[in-house]
Amino acid sequence: NAGVMQNPRHLVRRRGQEARLRCSPMKGHSHVYWYRQLPEEGLKFMVYLQKENIIDESGMPKERFSAEFPKEGPSILRIQQVVRGDSAAYFCASQPPGDGELFFGEGSRLTVL
Amino acid sequence: RKEVEQDPGPFNVPEGATVAFNCTYSNSASQSFFWYRQDCRKEPKLLMSVYSSGNEDGRFTAQLNRASQYISLLIRDSKLSDSATYLCVVKLQGGGFKTIFGAGTRLFVKA
Repeated sequence: NAGVMQNPRHLVRRRGQEARLRCSPMKGHSHVYWYRQLPEEGLKFMVYLQKENIIDESGMPKERFSAEFPKEGPSILRIQQVVRGDSAAYFCASQPPGDGELFFGEGSRLTVL
Repeated sequence: RKEVEQDPGPFNVPEGATVAFNCTYSNSASQSFFWYRQDCRKEPKLLMSVYSSGNEDGRFTAQLNRASQYISLLIRDSKLSDSATYLCVVKLQGGGFKTIFGAGTRLFVKA
């Protein structure tokens, strides 16, 4: 039973490029969360999604960031026109239907040059 | 005010010591409470859930005080392997369950 899979594990982008981070939840899990962790800081909630539906995006920056969780395929966090301040670890977590434990992926580490 | 607040530490303790972490939350509608552990450059992992009646798992004891909106974690007989960041986690209900993490308390256990 595979855990939460995130890819790429490491991504390097130059300023102005786009970054796409993917997350495949655990089998049977229908809820996905994205968190951002800056160096030496805590996890910051970004967005909470169900299949084809954004439940809560109150933690998403208003510009350049978007997330989706299509009916088929992984959830995608997209960052357009990246800046150095976007350099961080981006963690995805999935949750079974209802109120269950969050299971985290190993994270995608974005470095913006 | 942050939704979940923790003392950032770091806590530096010798092996065998007892250490306690505190956490407060601001939203009285919070439904569920957890402690997660995060090792350096790794993903967070669930340590234990927290119940109003208090719960214990080996050397770890968690307590919840809903009236004071306060959560605690007690670690007895600290081991070197307990060195990590401990995250207080609160789940809110509102269009689904939104899960908020505290910034974490860092623990260093030394020989």
